[in-house]
Amino acid sequence: DVKVTQSSRYLVKRTGEKVFLECVQDMDHENMFWYRQDPGLGLRLIYFSYDVKMKEKGDIPEGYSVSREKKERFSLILESASTNQTSMYLCASSLTGAIHEQYFGPGTRLTVT
Amino acid sequence: RKEVEQDPGPFNVPEGATVAFNCTYSNSASQSFFWYRQDCRKEPKLLMSVYSSGNEDGRFTAQLNRASQYISLLIRDSKLSDSATYLCVVSSLGGGGNKLTFGTGTQLKVEL
Repeated sequence: DVKVTQSSRYLVKRTGEKVFLECVQDMDHENMFWYRQDPGLGLRLIYFSYDVKMKEKGDIPEGYSVSREKKERFSLILESASTNQTSMYLCASSLTGAIHEQYFGPGTRLTVT
Repeated sequence: RKEVEQDPGPFNVPEGATVAFNCTYSNSASQSFFWYRQDCRKEPKLLMSVYSSGNEDGRFTAQLNRASQYISLLIRDSKLSDSATYLCVVSSLGGGGNKLTFGTGTQLKVEL
């Protein structure tokens, strides 16, 4: 069974703090993704990575950065958290190729106060 | 125009009913198509891929019309456990890998 784990289910941070969200997958997938999900807006892609040390901007990268030092781990970084970054953050991984499904982690509910 | 558009619902149907969801996409270069299911407070999970020839998995049938850029999902004999949000998903190549674009989802509530 593919397993994607995220470091926290719930997180509360203050405005201006640096926030790290960690994601680990155990299936040797090349591709990893970070999304945020908000009511009425659905899942929106923040960043993705198709190889170690490689990254691509998604649809809403502003205010975020990522790190992929190892194949199994993909980190999302909020350099200076803001209240409009309060959201559900979902990590996913997949094999390379358009036909392959993405497997999601359980999500991190981040609240920025 | 959104890249992937769905009716948000909710669709409230009685157990045993047949229900159909539709979805349109704007990128004609899209390569692959999927329906994902998301239960309340859970992560999305793949329900089924959608092929040009149409495909069926038990009570679920998915169809793709590339000319009209339209995808559908039909659920027959609805069960209470089918209550969830159904996400229409379209794949395209981005950078070195595949990128999924999600619709905002259609909510289904199956009632006794």
